[in-house]
Amino acid sequence: QKEVEQDPGPLSVPEGAIVSLNCTYSNSAFQYFMWYRQYSRKGPELLMYTYSSGNKEDGRFTAQVDKSSKYISLFIRDSQPSDSATYLCAMSPNAGGTSYGKLTFGQGTILTVHP
Amino acid sequence: KAGVTQTPRYLIKTRGQQVTLSCSPISGHRSVSWYQQTPGQGLQFLFEYFSETQRNKGNFPGRFSGRQFSNSRSEMNVSTLELGDSALYLCASSPGPANNEQFFGPGTRLTVL
Repeated sequence: QKEVEQDPGPLSVPEGAIVSLNCTYSNSAFQYFMWYRQYSRKGPELLMYTYSSGNKEDGRFTAQVDKSSKYISLFIRDSQPSDSATYLCAMSPNAGGTSYGKLTFGQGTILTVHP
Repeated sequence: KAGVTQTPRYLIKTRGQQVTLSCSPISGHRSVSWYQQTPGQGLQFLFEYFSETQRNKGNFPGRFSGRQFSNSRSEMNVSTLELGDSALYLCASSPGPANNEQFFGPGTRLTVL
């Protein structure tokens, strides 16, 4: 079983919809949680970086972390065609651990927002 | 501030050859991590360097190696290339040591024939 599970989709939504992307994880050592967006043939772009449980908002994006359930989410409001990309969740252990600099990624969810 | 740069962007090699990829981190970042991305396995961690020392290594064979220079630039080397090494190789930099927000470069796409 993978340490991080992410539904690969694909997910297709109309412009303006609210998109919900999710990841579950099994390793309780994970303390830092990230969401990346990757356009075709490009490197991943960091969207959100969170540590504690709860919500973090940045523009149209909201990241949610529930450590008790080992579940993280990314919500995209008022989705746009330019949001069409692959979304990757990533996690790492706490600072000071030997694996601190290692990110473990989900498989990525392919999102298409159609006009 | 300039982002992470990787060279070359594309590379074609044949089985048995070796290859060296280069990564220049964001100015001021001291940690560099390398990842391999393939359609089947996704993004997998190769290794991480901080202050010229390898801090962490993923589950890859010894044919994959790397190093970091005093200016934080990093190189990774793959020897005796196999067809399965065809992938997008991504480099990420972070401020380190207590901040692991990782920013990725565009990657080097390696094709092994």
